Amino acid sequence: AQTVTQSQPEMSVQEAETVTLSCTYDTSESNYYLFWYKQPPSRQMILVIRQEAYKQQNATENRFSVNFQKAAKSFSLKISDSQLGDTAMYFCAFMKQPASNYQLIWGAGTKLIIKP
Amino acid sequence: GAVVSQHPSWVICKSGTSVKIECRSLDFQATTMFWYRQFPKQSLMLMATSNEGSKATYEQGVEKDKFLINHASLTLSTLTVTSAHPEDSSFYICSAFRSGRADTQYFGPGTRLTVL
Repeated sequence: AQTVTQSQPEMSVQEAETVTLSCTYDTSESNYYLFWYKQPPSRQMILVIRQEAYKQQNATENRFSVNFQKAAKSFSLKISDSQLGDTAMYFCAFMKQPASNYQLIWGAGTKLIIKP
Repeated sequence: GAVVSQHPSWVICKSGTSVKIECRSLDFQATTMFWYRQFPKQSLMLMATSNEGSKATYEQGVEKDKFLINHASLTLSTLTVTSAHPEDSSFYICSAFRSGRADTQYFGPGTRLTVL
């Protein structure tokens, strides 16, 4: 069975700083997707970034980028030039590919606070 | 693209009554939708997987007779909490799976249910 571990329950940084959130996972699958979702105080779950395991290139979305280390089963999220609006819970998630049921396996989340 | 709506956003009901929550994918078709429950400061707990035109698949420990799920069309799934009790009070979130080049779950804004 797959598991996803986020070892940082809470982090806080100053606005404009760079922050890295950690995620490790355990799987015997060779093909899968990894995701970072953000849940701000509004509680709307928002897709931040997505990585396909077969792609060696790390995904980037504007200020958000990942460091995907397949052999180490590590998938960290880097937020550059952090903004107050980045304050949220961040969840790492795993999905098998091809997915028989498309279910996501979730980490416990990291609460990120951006201080002014 | 990939917008999911959820209605109502919050509902208060009396113990013993039933409440229906709707989840719609607005700009894509979703053969598979998911229903989650989220407790305060916790990750998402999958309740059931809803497939268009077939019976939902419930996770272990979820009462299928209490949480009725209907996925009548490719854009609509409903969750009905029957004979609600105060312990059913929670935040319920739906997601819709968008397949294709980017297999991803997209989330509705959630429904806060309070049972008095």
